[in-house]
Amino acid sequence: QQQVKQSPQSLIVQKGGISIINCAYENTAFDYFPWYQQFPGKGPALLIAIRPDVSEKKEGRFTISFNKSAKQFSLHIMDSQPGDSATYFCAASVRSGNNDMRFGAGTRLTVKP
Amino acid sequence: EAQVTQNPRYLITVTGKKLTVTCSQNMNHEYMSWYRQDPGLGLRQIYYSMNVEVTDKGDVPEGYKVSRKEKRNFPLILESPSPNQTSLYFCASKRGLAGNTIYFGEGSWLTVV
Repeated sequence: QQQVKQSPQSLIVQKGGISIINCAYENTAFDYFPWYQQFPGKGPALLIAIRPDVSEKKEGRFTISFNKSAKQFSLHIMDSQPGDSATYFCAASVRSGNNDMRFGAGTRLTVKP
Repeated sequence: EAQVTQNPRYLITVTGKKLTVTCSQNMNHEYMSWYRQDPGLGLRQIYYSMNVEVTDKGDVPEGYKVSRKEKRNFPLILESPSPNQTSLYFCASKRGLAGNTIYFGEGSWLTVV
């Protein structure tokens, strides 16, 4: 049973376009929502994260939008670049919990030049 | 440089032949864990350890063992590998419970024939 559902599975965007990846969660105890970026041959690395007390967090071209009532959050990549081509994982956790992150299935993003 | 190092990076083995994937971190993190990554399933936790001599099952522990005798090391043991354990494995660490950023190793590709 996947606690974090991520879509789409793959995404192709033209250079300069906006990439949008969506995630939905079930457990209302989750209070930390990070996005991890994984390049081929590498391990995932933290990209950006949000806590549920804010609705949006922006870092450069990357923005997380968070909708607590809908139990959904999304990653927006503005002015997408070929160097952004990677697999993106959303995740959720309970900060005070013993267990670890619950990851989405991943989205493979390809940005065409 | 902060690192999670795992070995081997690539391994082809035969069914039933015991193998160990080593993992070491140099960040003095209390928490370490193992994940497997499979297409369409994202990252699933196998085992985790909250500190030396403290380990617990994740979501998919069947067929795996771990030990945590030293803080920096967390080996993953496959006593009798089977083809359904063919996967990409990641070791990860993080600072205790309060620190949520997970640092991943570069992954170990395991093929069981």
